[in-house]
Amino acid sequence: EAGVAQSPRYKIIEKRQSVAFWCNPISGHATLYWYQQILGQGPKLLIQFQNNGVVDDSQLPKDRFSAERLKGVDSTLKIQPAKLEDSAVYLCASTILDTQYFGPGTRLTVL
Amino acid sequence: AQSVTQPDIHITVSEGASLELRCNYSYGATPYLFWYVQSPGQGLQLLLKYFSGDTLVQGIKGFEAEFKRSQSSFNLRKPSVHWSDAAEYFCAVGGYSGGGADGLTFGKGTHLIIQP
Repeated sequence: EAGVAQSPRYKIIEKRQSVAFWCNPISGHATLYWYQQILGQGPKLLIQFQNNGVVDDSQLPKDRFSAERLKGVDSTLKIQPAKLEDSAVYLCASTILDTQYFGPGTRLTVL
Repeated sequence: AQSVTQPDIHITVSEGASLELRCNYSYGATPYLFWYVQSPGQGLQLLLKYFSGDTLVQGIKGFEAEFKRSQSSFNLRKPSVHWSDAAEYFCAVGGYSGGGADGLTFGKGTHLIIQP
């Protein structure tokens, strides 16, 4: 069974630029999550989707971050404009029941 | 609010020695508890999970964890570590609601160093 796919794996941008990350969950997984992992910390939930509806986005900085899940499958996370403090690894995870499976992440560096 | 505390930022263990990584949680309902491992440049791999039932759970790679409700703890153990166990270990807590499995709350992680 294929795992969670994410792209790109690495991205370097300058502050105030925009960036987008893509996630393809495990086939059939209805629930999808985006996490932010800052260096030296554990992942922090940004947003949770159930099919293509948002379940929890309470920790998403909505003034600059947005996310969507098209047709309940793939998802994109966008940052516009980026700040230095957005430098982190962005992890996507999916689940069909109760265990979350994580993708390899996208490492974002904001200069 | 839910939280996870991993008191040890770094732990150094000799190869072949036993290991225990500590995890304490705070959660308002019955928790789902997880241990994940992260190697450099890799995503998170699930080691084991606890939902209910037997409080001693077995995982992959020879790891086990014990859920102690009275101590709000879920410590990870391994009887004999291998050099390949060197990695970052994360404890996490979550639940289950109508929108599917809740997003997890993670601890800050414990960095495991293996001495030859």
